[in-house]
Amino acid sequence: EPEVTQTPSHQVTQMGQEVILRCVPISNHLYFYWYRQILGQKVEFLVSFYNNEISEKSEIFDDQFSVERPDGSNFTLKIRSTKLEDSAMYFCASSEARGGPGTGELFFGEGSRLTVL
Amino acid sequence: AQKITQTQPGMFVQEKEAVTLDCTYDTSDQSYGLFWYKQPSSGEMIFLIYQGSYDEQNATEGRYSLNFQKARKSANLVISASQLGDSAMYFCAMKSSYKLIFGSGTRLLVRP
Repeated sequence: EPEVTQTPSHQVTQMGQEVILRCVPISNHLYFYWYRQILGQKVEFLVSFYNNEISEKSEIFDDQFSVERPDGSNFTLKIRSTKLEDSAMYFCASSEARGGPGTGELFFGEGSRLTVL
Repeated sequence: AQKITQTQPGMFVQEKEAVTLDCTYDTSDQSYGLFWYKQPSSGEMIFLIYQGSYDEQNATEGRYSLNFQKARKSANLVISASQLGDSAMYFCAMKSSYKLIFGSGTRLLVRP
């Protein structure tokens, strides 16, 4: 069964360092997402990506965040200068584009746990 | 603005009994989808069930059913015949404009 894969599963970094989280979405999916879950809290939307550009982003997704699809398979989230409060689980997800804007479940990766010291 | 509300931070249920997890939503969109995801202690997000806003029948997937009451803007998840492996965090979510918004979750503990 096709799945979304994420690397690394866990990354520890120093405050102020740049971090890149990588995702390989399901191959025939056209919508890609990053979500964040701070420990014990709800899953928060960061950004959606379609047709090689950001389609929507939340207020959390400020200038220190960026996303890229460099080679047609990988989908990356970059955090330019990490802060302590960036410590969280980061989930990548993808979905098919068929159907309307309210249809089609998101398939999630297993997450990348980021710890900022 | 869209909002998903789960008012039960934690629930207990006896093994083999049914349990209802509450979810209400708010949106001005006419077309939207409602989803439930399960998050076990291992952390992954597992899709359980989907209900479209125009679907007239309640969705069912095995032991999961979604009690959709559009006028009341509620989309409660019913788990029948609870199993120990159902112990997990459950998130209700709403999708419109191709984006999924989650509620705060309900932690379900199944007692043997």
